[in-house]
Amino acid sequence: DTEVTQTPKHLVMGMTNKKSLKCEQHMGHRAMYWYKQKAKKPPELMFVYSYEKLSINESVPSRFSPECPNSSLLNLHLHALQPEDSALYLCASSPLGGAYRDEQFFGPGTRLTVL
Amino acid sequence: AQKITQTQPGMFVQEKEAVTLDCTYDTSDPSYGLFWYKQPSSGEMIFLIYQGSYDQQNATEGRYSLNFQKARKSANLVISASQLGDSAMYFCAMREKTAGNKLTFGGGTRVLVKP
Repeated sequence: DTEVTQTPKHLVMGMTNKKSLKCEQHMGHRAMYWYKQKAKKPPELMFVYSYEKLSINESVPSRFSPECPNSSLLNLHLHALQPEDSALYLCASSPLGGAYRDEQFFGPGTRLTVL
Repeated sequence: AQKITQTQPGMFVQEKEAVTLDCTYDTSDPSYGLFWYKQPSSGEMIFLIYQGSYDQQNATEGRYSLNFQKARKSANLVISASQLGDSAMYFCAMREKTAGNKLTFGGGTRVLVKP
């Protein structure tokens, strides 16, 4: 299995809803990432988990809450989002704990719309 | 200052011709990796090619090659024999050893292959 899967593919939610994005990989990778990508822009790093511990939080608002239950799973819990949070959310994983030559494998993304 | 610069926001290329996508970077870290990703309209980021700062030879992967000029801090992607399926957004990215897991992306270049 050489892919990163993300569910759901699309999500529409209201500003008062609570929802979660899920990411899974079975490649034995030890680092996992969440990115946010607005239209026509490059991905922006949100969080990094290395060996199941949060290693980078790019000053993301607390309405986004990451969780890494085990080495294969990464969740992003969403609560009280704003319309400007509408974007493509990409998950990625990489083999090692952060070597600079680590290639990141990306999932297909979740397109989130906040109404 | 931007760490990764892609000066071509968009380009047209004729099918079966080669195209060069420009990428310049800025770093004082002697250890770094350079990556190119392809993002079709579906959203998934597809890894294309990697060049390490200590690699003596230019990287090649099938129809993709990287013209690495270290002194000029440029890492241009060359796509040979363009195909209609190459139409996508292309991102150059860098990972510095001192930056840990952080992958920094350029603004991207949109390529449209004409039949």
